[in-house]
Amino acid sequence: SQTIHQWPATLVQPVGSPLSLECTVEGTSNPNLYWYRQAAGRGLQLLFYSVGIGQISSEVPQNLSASRPQDRQFILSSKKLLLSDSGFYLCAWSWGAGGTTEQYFGPGTRLTVT
Amino acid sequence: DAKTTQPNSMESNEEEPVHLPCNHSTISGTDYIHWYRQLPSQGPEYVIHGLTSNVNNRMASLAIAEDRKSSTLILHRATLRDAAVYYCILRDRNAGNNRKLIWGLGTSLAVNP
Repeated sequence: SQTIHQWPATLVQPVGSPLSLECTVEGTSNPNLYWYRQAAGRGLQLLFYSVGIGQISSEVPQNLSASRPQDRQFILSSKKLLLSDSGFYLCAWSWGAGGTTEQYFGPGTRLTVT
Repeated sequence: DAKTTQPNSMESNEEEPVHLPCNHSTISGTDYIHWYRQLPSQGPEYVIHGLTSNVNNRMASLAIAEDRKSSTLILHRATLRDAAVYYCILRDRNAGNNRKLIWGLGTSLAVNP
């Protein structure tokens, strides 16, 4: 069976500090990977999308970046955090991106920027 | 802009059926209707999806209007564990068009014991 891991579960960081969130998927190969952010009381916002190693699509301009150094590893980074970066960050994977494919979400990382 | 419209909140009693509506008046012929739910402080969980015909699985049923401009997620017997935010989203059959998925605010379902 497939599992998706995210860490850390919670994080409190000061403004201007760097960020690194990691997501790994087990039990599948060549998954599509996604990073979402959910601000308090808001819906999910797709940040990045990857169909393979080194292939990253950015959906929203911001001070965040993503990398996929290995097939089942997806990393979200920032060089300098802003207050507006606070939120619930979710990693997800799918076998494809067509209309019938399901997305499977990780447990999320709650980031508070102070 | 969100392509689906859902009520902000709904309330149900335990053991009773729940009908969660979703309007998608601008749905295209290649859009699948997906439902996810998100329990407090957790990632969303897939519930069900359909294209034209009604669908049933172990979690719920999906009733799709004949003109496909609306759909209803049906929980046959609500339990306290069903209290969550339910999202209705559209996914294009063409993979390349799904890069920018739009999630609305969903419906927050409260279940009373």
